Amino acid sequence: IAGITQAPTSQILAAGRRMTLRCTQDMRHNAMYWYRQDLGLGLRLIHYSNTAGTTGKGEVPDGYSVSRANTDDFPLTLASAVPSQTSVYFCASSDSDGFGGQEGYTFGSGTRLTVV
Amino acid sequence: GQNIDQPTEMTATEGAIVQINCTYQTSGFNGLFWYQQHAGEAPTFLSYNVLDGLEEKGRFSSFLSRSKGYSYLLLKELQMKDSASYLCAVIKEDYQLIWGAGTKLIIKP
Repeated sequence: IAGITQAPTSQILAAGRRMTLRCTQDMRHNAMYWYRQDLGLGLRLIHYSNTAGTTGKGEVPDGYSVSRANTDDFPLTLASAVPSQTSVYFCASSDSDGFGGQEGYTFGSGTRLTVV
Repeated sequence: GQNIDQPTEMTATEGAIVQINCTYQTSGFNGLFWYQQHAGEAPTFLSYNVLDGLEEKGRFSSFLSRSKGYSYLLLKELQMKDSASYLCAVIKEDYQLIWGAGTKLIIKP
């Protein structure tokens, strides 16, 4: 089934630990995005990649890093987790740069991360 | 500043019609999306408006007025499965998206 796969589904992480959230898409979309979703707030962009080999910072990039070695994979790394990074993380992709064209973004099912 | 405003929560009755409003103030405008998000799930694309007017897609319609910075999502013949959050997102002049916090729609029998 075409789409985006995120792993893990959920995780409880001790503060100070390093964690990588995985995201893989099989739609050959050029652009990929990482968002966090917190109660009462809109989705906030962490990092994005318009094409393999390039990445950019979004609205809330501090404490996170990404890489885009190929078209399909876009992992998000928390170098040293803090409790404020407790959130639901969504990976998304689109087949055009920027806003995703008239078909918008395709989202993964999310990773629920709790940092204690 | 830039912001998108949506009501936090709305309640409607099965079979009825509901209108969810979205107002925005952003740096430039290149279109507006509506997404549906069921609890614990990913957002899914509903509609895209870039020109003024109404776009109809089955039971769902979306309206845009660029001069007023206003959009609404109209849901007809409500079904229990329409209980979800509805997210409004604006495409800014740099083609990045800014998202509203979403409107939680509760459908009662």
